[in-house]
Parts: sequence; C-alpha cells; structure tokens
Amino acid sequence: EDQVTQSPEALRLQEGESSSLNCSYTVSGLRGLFWYRQDPGKGPEFLFTLYSAGEEKEKERLKATLTKKESFLHITAPKPEDSATYLCAVQAGNTDKLIFGTGTRLQVFP
Amino acid sequence: DAGVIQSPRHEVTEMGQEVTLRCKPISGHNSLFWYRQTMMRGLELLIYFNNNVPIDDSGMPEDRFSAKMPNASFSTLKIQPSEPRDSAVYFCASTLAGGNTGELFFGEGSRLTVL
Repeated sequence: EDQVTQSPEALRLQEGESSSLNCSYTVSGLRGLFWYRQDPGKGPEFLFTLYSAGEEKEKERLKATLTKKESFLHITAPKPEDSATYLCAVQAGNTDKLIFGTGTRLQVFP
Repeated sequence: DAGVIQSPRHEVTEMGQEVTLRCKPISGHNSLFWYRQTMMRGLELLIYFNNNVPIDDSGMPEDRFSAKMPNASFSTLKIQPSEPRDSAVYFCASTLAGGNTGELFFGEGSRLTVL
C-alpha cells in the first residue's frame, strides 16, 4: 500500500534557526513527490515537484531534496511568515491521485 | 484570474440532512479532485474527474456520498444522509491533465459540521 509519513508532527523554531522536515514514503513506481504549504483556514498551496532521487529544488528559504525513500524540506534562517503546515504528497504509477502525509506544523517565533 | 471557488465556506447541519458542496474549477483546467481533511486522517482523496468523467472514486466512504461534474466549470459533492463523522473540511482542487498533475490548485475549502 502506498504510504507517506511525515516527521516531526510539530516543530517550533526561533527566527533564524535552520532545520529540516522529513517525508518518508513507500510507493509502487514513484511518479513524483510534491511539497505543499497550508496556512490556517486555507487550502494547500503548491511549492515543489521532485521526480527522481538526487533532485533538488529551491525557493527563497526552502530547499527540497529527494532520495529513493524520503524527502527533506530544509528551511534556512526561517522567519515568522514561514509558519504554516507543510504537507508532502506522492503520486504513483499511472494515476493522477496524490497521497498526502499528515503534515508538519511549523511555528517560527521572533 | 480567479482561483478555485467553493461554496458554502461553512455549513452546520443536523444529522440526517442532505448536504451539497459546490466547486468551480479554474477555467481551462480539466482535472478536478475532491479531498476531505480531518485532524486524525489528514487529506484524503474522495474522487477525481478528468474531462468531467469520474476516474477514481475508491475514496468515497460509502453510498451516502456522491459526486457529479455536469460540465467543465462545475462540480458537486453530495452527502445524504449526513452523519456527525462526516464533519471535516472538504477541499476541491483542479489542475491541467497532461501537465504536472501533482500541481493542484486548491480552493479555500468548505467546513462541514454535522450535529
């Protein structure tokens, strides 16, 4: 069964304190791995797509990496506005459906 | 450009009542997804359509749930009869089939509370 597990469930950081979020996955035939950001009361917002092991994508203070078993979302020198829930999702085989993890709730304090 | 539009944003109803949630996808998008989000289970796919045709409804919990897409600019998710365990936030998302179908554009969700 295709599965996505994210850790930690919650993370509190001081502004400027870099850290990483983990997404472990098991999927038959990975078609793509996706990171989303979700603010309270809003729908998820797309951040990155990763297709193959070794691939990296960057956007401002965020960098996503991918191996054959997991993905990391690195946050460098975070700011309070980076506070959100970060969701990881995988797409497998010949389907368009995304399977989401339960997310990491990030809080960045000034 | 308008994003995905969902209505109502909030719905409070009593057990046994019929609930209809509505979604207007982004113009030009031909794939539409209905997800349900709860604290315990996170985001779960209920059903998705390509070109108005249901492709995968394996996530629909039971016969009480039904979804339709009568045209490219409108979809409904209906729950009849509703139960307290259906309380959740229901999201609609759209994308362009044939493109990066993992890049979904979500609406702001419909928060359903069944008493």
